Amino acid sequence: EDQVTQSPEALRLQEGESSSLNCSYTVSGLRGLFWYRQDPGKGPEFLFTLYSAGEEKEKERLKATLTKKESFLHITAPKPEDSATYLCAGLGGNTPLVFGKGTRLSVIA
Amino acid sequence: ETGVTQTPRHLVMGMTNKKSLKCEQHLGHNAMYWYKQSAKKPLELMFVYSLEERVENNSVPSRFSPECPNSSHLFLHLHTLQPEDSALYLCASSQEWYPLPDTQYFGPGTRLTVL
Repeated sequence: EDQVTQSPEALRLQEGESSSLNCSYTVSGLRGLFWYRQDPGKGPEFLFTLYSAGEEKEKERLKATLTKKESFLHITAPKPEDSATYLCAGLGGNTPLVFGKGTRLSVIA
Repeated sequence: ETGVTQTPRHLVMGMTNKKSLKCEQHLGHNAMYWYKQSAKKPLELMFVYSLEERVENNSVPSRFSPECPNSSHLFLHLHTLQPEDSALYLCASSQEWYPLPDTQYFGPGTRLTVL
C-alpha cells in the first residue's frame, strides 16, 4: 500500500532559524512528489512538484529536494508568515495522490 | 472569479437534512476531485471525475453522492449524515486525471458540521 509519512508532526522555530521538514514515501512507480502549504481554514496551496531523484526546486525561502526514498523541504531564515501546515503527497503509477498528515510549522518573531 | 471556488464556506446540518456542496473551477481543467480532511488525518480522496465521468470512488458511503454536470462544476450531495462526517471538504482540479502527474489546485473548502 502506498504511504507518505511526514516528520516532525509539529515544528517551532525562531525567526531566522533554518530547518528542514521530512517526507518519507513508499509509493510504487512514483510519478510526482508534491508539496503544498495550508493555512488554517483554507485549502492547500501548491508549492512544488518534483519528478525524479536529485531534482531540486526553490521558491523564496523554500527549497524542495527529492531522493529515491524521501523528500525534504528546507526553510532558510524563516519568517512568521511562513507559519502554516506543509503537506507532502506522492502520485504513484496506478494510484491517486496519497497525502501525508503534514507538518505544522510555527515561526516565532 | 479565478482558480477553484467552493460554496458554502461553512455549513451546519442535522442528521436528517439534505444539502449540497458546490465547486466551480475557472482553470479550464478536465479533472475534478472531492477530498475529506479531518483533524489529525491525511487528506482522503473521495471521488474523481475526468471529463464528467466518475473514474474513482474510494469506498465512500452512499450518503455522499457526487454529481459532475460539466467539466467546470462539481457537486457533493449530502443526506442522512453522521456526526463523524464533520470535516473540511475540499474540491480540487487538475488539467488531466491520467497519465500525466498534473498538479491539483484546491479550493478553500467547506467546513461541515453535522449535529
